[in-house]
Amino acid sequence: NAGVTQTPKFRVLKTGQSMTLLCAQDMNHEYMYWYRQDPGMGLRLIHYSVGEGTTAKGEVPDGYNVSRLKKQNFLLGLESAAPSQTSVYFCASSRTQRDTGELFFGEGSRLTVL
Amino acid sequence: SQQGEEDPQALSIQEGENATMNCSYKTSINNLQWYRQNSGRGLVHLILIRSNEREKHSGRLRVTLDTSKKSSSLLITASRAADTASYFCATVLPGSSNTGKLIFGQGTTLQVKP
Repeated sequence: NAGVTQTPKFRVLKTGQSMTLLCAQDMNHEYMYWYRQDPGMGLRLIHYSVGEGTTAKGEVPDGYNVSRLKKQNFLLGLESAAPSQTSVYFCASSRTQRDTGELFFGEGSRLTVL
Repeated sequence: SQQGEEDPQALSIQEGENATMNCSYKTSINNLQWYRQNSGRGLVHLILIRSNEREKHSGRLRVTLDTSKKSSSLLITASRAADTASYFCATVLPGSSNTGKLIFGQGTTLQVKP
């Protein structure tokens, strides 16, 4: 099993460009999450999904959109990239519904917006 | 604002020594988890302690939880160079157990010198 796979791993954008980060998990997990990690800020939750076809906002959702059309995939979109969105983005998934268990993380996608 | 605050922010020790890092949080929790992140990699789950537990062990890891002080500690005994990484605590807030949302602290960077 590959676990959680993120693509692309690196990307450089110009201000105003758009892009989509893809997260795929092969563990049949219900829950999926997008976090961003910035120096000194830890990880902050952008959006999350508790099942196929559902999404919800996290702590820092502005400037991002997400979609969960298939259970195994969770897409994070930037419609008009800004330098403040330069960050490392992590996707994660988890299994349990009754009580929160561990998150399984991808290796990250490093995005630079010039 | 961040739910979890780790202390110290950075820790440097010699191989064989014990490493202790602390996490304080602000509100009541369902459980608290610890994760490790090697440089340039995704986070890996280490251990979960529930709000009704006071201590938990896993190999060389020992986690304590004091809900009256809203704090947790992670002890790594007989540290190895391979333990060099950043360590994060993460909490599940009451009411979030059906979404799996985790709130992460800013992390402690541990360096173990050979």
